[in-house]
Amino acid sequence: DAGVTQSPTHLIKTRGQQVTLRCSPISGHKSVSWYQQVLGQGPQFIFQYYEKEERGRGNFPDRFSARQFPNYSSELNVNALLLGDSALYLCASSLAMQGKGYTFGSGTRLTVV
Amino acid sequence: QKEVEQNSGPLSVPEGAIASLNCTYSDRGSQSFFWYRQYSGKSPELIMFIYSNGDKEDGRFTAQLNKASQYVSLLIRDSQPSDSATYLCAVYGNQGGKLIFGQGTELSVKP
Repeated sequence: DAGVTQSPTHLIKTRGQQVTLRCSPISGHKSVSWYQQVLGQGPQFIFQYYEKEERGRGNFPDRFSARQFPNYSSELNVNALLLGDSALYLCASSLAMQGKGYTFGSGTRLTVV
Repeated sequence: QKEVEQNSGPLSVPEGAIASLNCTYSDRGSQSFFWYRQYSGKSPELIMFIYSNGDKEDGRFTAQLNKASQYVSLLIRDSQPSDSATYLCAVYGNQGGKLIFGQGTELSVKP
């Protein structure tokens, strides 16, 4: 079975641009969460979607948005990019909203210049 | 006070020794606790999940939970150089499935 797949793996954007990151969960998993990890820190929660509805939002500005599609895949959008948005963006999936832990994708490394 | 705290390390142990990693959390109502391993440049990998007080063993790994003292620890027996990684402690927050992570402890196992 395929794991959690994320695309692209690496991305370089200019300040002020917009970016869309994509995630496909493990087959059968209905929950998708997004995390931001900057170097030297633990992942920070951005969003959780379950059954196509937003179930949680972290302390991130409105420039960050996400959605989940009928096939449970998800997109994370970030507008008006800042240098501080440079990070590893991780997608995690699970069967339920609050299960026995998440499986993370390999992440998208975003660099804003 | 951070919600989940870990010593950032690095923690250095010789090969074959026991590595002990500690984590404290602030929300006394927390129920589920996780240990993730993250190799440099890779994504976190779940290695242990614990929700009951006491010990849970899985191979060379033992997770210990003490809810009264609000700490959770991870012991790695017979440490190997391949265990060298950053270990992340995480607990569920108050929003559905939101996981709150500590900053991670870097472990280095020397041959």
